[in-house]
Amino acid sequence: AQSVAQPEDQVNVAEGNPLTVKCTYSVSGNPYLFWYVQYPNRGLQFLLKYITGDNLVKGSYGFEAEFNKSQTSFHLKKPSALVSDSALYFCAVRDKGTYKYIFGTGTRLKVLA
Amino acid sequence: DSGVTQTPKHLITATGQRVTLRCSPRSGDLSVYWYQQSLDQGLQFLIQYYNGEERAKGNILERFSAQQFPDLHSELNLSSLELGDSALYFCASSVGGHAGTEAFFGQGTRLTVV
Repeated sequence: AQSVAQPEDQVNVAEGNPLTVKCTYSVSGNPYLFWYVQYPNRGLQFLLKYITGDNLVKGSYGFEAEFNKSQTSFHLKKPSALVSDSALYFCAVRDKGTYKYIFGTGTRLKVLA
Repeated sequence: DSGVTQTPKHLITATGQRVTLRCSPRSGDLSVYWYQQSLDQGLQFLIQYYNGEERAKGNILERFSAQQFPDLHSELNLSSLELGDSALYFCASSVGGHAGTEAFFGQGTRLTVV
């Protein structure tokens, strides 16, 4: 079965510092991986995805993610965190059979001013 | 605005009652997904439709049912409601046809069972 894991429930980072939100995956074959962000009382917003090609994927709001096949990871990164980045972040993998999206448990990012 | 519309935004109902949540996907999207999110928990996949047909089923209770209509909108029916059914219910849509496409989420329906 395909799955993703987000090992950290919460990540705290100071404003202006780089941030990393971790995600590892378990997939047979090549994965289709996604990152979403959820602000309070809002739906999930798509940030970026990895399908194939360059291991460094750039997305919305200055976020990027690095796909690492040997470590089965897809960590979300940003060079300089903003207080407004504080939100709940979800990693997801797409099931290639049914096309359903399988989400991790989420990581709450708190950027401190 | 994601283009996915969910109604109603909020719903308060009593235990034992039945409710219907509605979702209109983005124009052109054939796939619709329903997810449940409880108290800042992760997203639990409920069910997926593609062009009117059920494609995948997750941890959906027998008291819950869904369908996708010919105009591609979808409804999630929740019956014999219990306090534990209180949650945010999200609908998402995607083009379908290729696994590399992303899903777009609605704002959710917050269901409170009292």
